[in-house]
Amino acid sequence: GENVEQHPSTLSVQEGDSAVIKCTYSDSASNYFPWYKQELGKRPQLIIDIRSNVGEKKDQRIAVTLNKTAKHFSLHITETQPEDSAVYFCAQTNNAGGTSYGKLTFGQGTILTVHP
Amino acid sequence: NAGVTQTPKFRVLKTGQSMTLLCAQDMNHEYMYWYRQDPGMGLRLIHYSVGEGTTAKGEVPDGYNVSRLKKQNFLLGLESAAPSQTSVYFCASRKAPGTSALLEQYFGPGTRLTVT
Repeated sequence: GENVEQHPSTLSVQEGDSAVIKCTYSDSASNYFPWYKQELGKRPQLIIDIRSNVGEKKDQRIAVTLNKTAKHFSLHITETQPEDSAVYFCAQTNNAGGTSYGKLTFGQGTILTVHP
Repeated sequence: NAGVTQTPKFRVLKTGQSMTLLCAQDMNHEYMYWYRQDPGMGLRLIHYSVGEGTTAKGEVPDGYNVSRLKKQNFLLGLESAAPSQTSVYFCASRKAPGTSALLEQYFGPGTRLTVT
């Protein structure tokens, strides 16, 4: 079945530094890769996503890169701020139809702490 | 537009008791999902539904049942609660694939369940 490995499990950076979280997946049919941010006690919220026909996508300080050959994708946060502190989850699914029905398989999560 | 709502927010059950968690969405989404979130394990899919009257098993369905009698509601039932079901439960919904390019799953605020 689908499997997503996420690393690191915890990441501590100084304000202004960059943070990188990496996920690897096993299903070659996966074509949609969202990243969710979850603050303590809150719901996961989508921060950026990428489809398999794109290698990189950027939205202000966050970016996601996808390497389909190696089956990994990464979240990059630049100029980190204390409010970036949260748990980040990667996920993947196959949205091409069939029986996947958009079911997401999540990574285990990364606790990001940004120190002022 | 309330998005995805869940009731109750918190619940404590004794082993063997039953309960139903309600998820409601007002975005006219076809697909709905129930996840459980445990420390260090990300979110895992329990059951999902691709339309009114249809349900299917996810990754961890044992001990749970679901129903989707109305398009906007997705109910998760625990017939005989066990301590292993202590978790945070999230409901999510999204549009079915089609002309819409929106693939995002929208999450509810979660239900924290403790089984003693």
